[in-house]
Amino acid sequence: QSALTQPASVSGSPGQSITISCIGTSSDIGNYNYVSWYQQHPGQAPKLMIYDVTTRPSGVSSRFSGSKSGNTASLTISGLQAEDEADYYCSSYTNSATRVFGGGTKLTVL
Amino acid sequence: QVLVPESGPGLVKPSETLSLTCTVSGGSISSTNYYWAWIRQPPGKGLEWIGSIYYSGSIYYNPSLKSRVTILVDTSKSQFSLKLTSLTAADTAVYYCARDRRGGSWFDPWGQGTLVTVSS
Repeated sequence: QSALTQPASVSGSPGQSITISCIGTSSDIGNYNYVSWYQQHPGQAPKLMIYDVTTRPSGVSSRFSGSKSGNTASLTISGLQAEDEADYYCSSYTNSATRVFGGGTKLTVL
Repeated sequence: QVLVPESGPGLVKPSETLSLTCTVSGGSISSTNYYWAWIRQPPGKGLEWIGSIYYSGSIYYNPSLKSRVTILVDTSKSQFSLKLTSLTAADTAVYYCARDRRGGSWFDPWGQGTLVTVSS
C-alpha cells in the first residue's frame, strides 16, 4: 500500500489560517469516512486531533477542523498560535482493512 | 483513562528478532470496540502502521512487513505483543502501541514510545 500524500511543510503567521492536504485514492480516503489527523511535537507521541474526517475529540481546540472531498482530506487550523508548530499526520482506513499514514507535514508558525 | 505503555529491549543485533510488549490498563483489552495497534517511526521520518489485532485474535498487517511480523494478544494478562524478525538497521525506530478504534480506525491513546536500535 502507498502512503497518503501530504505536503512536506506549510507555514503561517500567528492568527492566520492554514490548510494541510492529504491525498489518497478510491481505495482509502475516497471510499471511507475514516480519516484521522495527529499532531506530534518533538520527542512526544502523536496526539489525536480529528477522527472520522470531521470529529474533534474532547479537549481539542475548535480551531482545528477537518474535511474531505473525493480522495483528498484536509486539516484546517484557524487562528494560528505558536503552540500549533508541530508535525501533522493524516491516516485512513483502506479497502484491505489495513491502515495507512501520510508522510507528515511540518507546520512552522512564523 | 486507558494507558498503553510499551516495554522491551532498546538494542537488538542485526538478523535477530525484536520482541515488544504493550500492557493495557484503565480499560479492557477485550472491548468489542477496539483493535490494538503497533506503529513505528524511524528517526526523523514519518509514522508507519505495522499491524492491528482484535482481542479474539483477528489481525491485519502492513503488507510491506507481513512476512516478518507477528502480533499476538494475551487477554489474561491484558497484553499484546510484537515480534519482528530478520532485523536490519532500517528497522531502527521508535515503536508505539496504540488503541485502534474498530469501525473508524483512529489511534488513541498512544504509548510513550520505545526507541529500538538495531546495531551490532
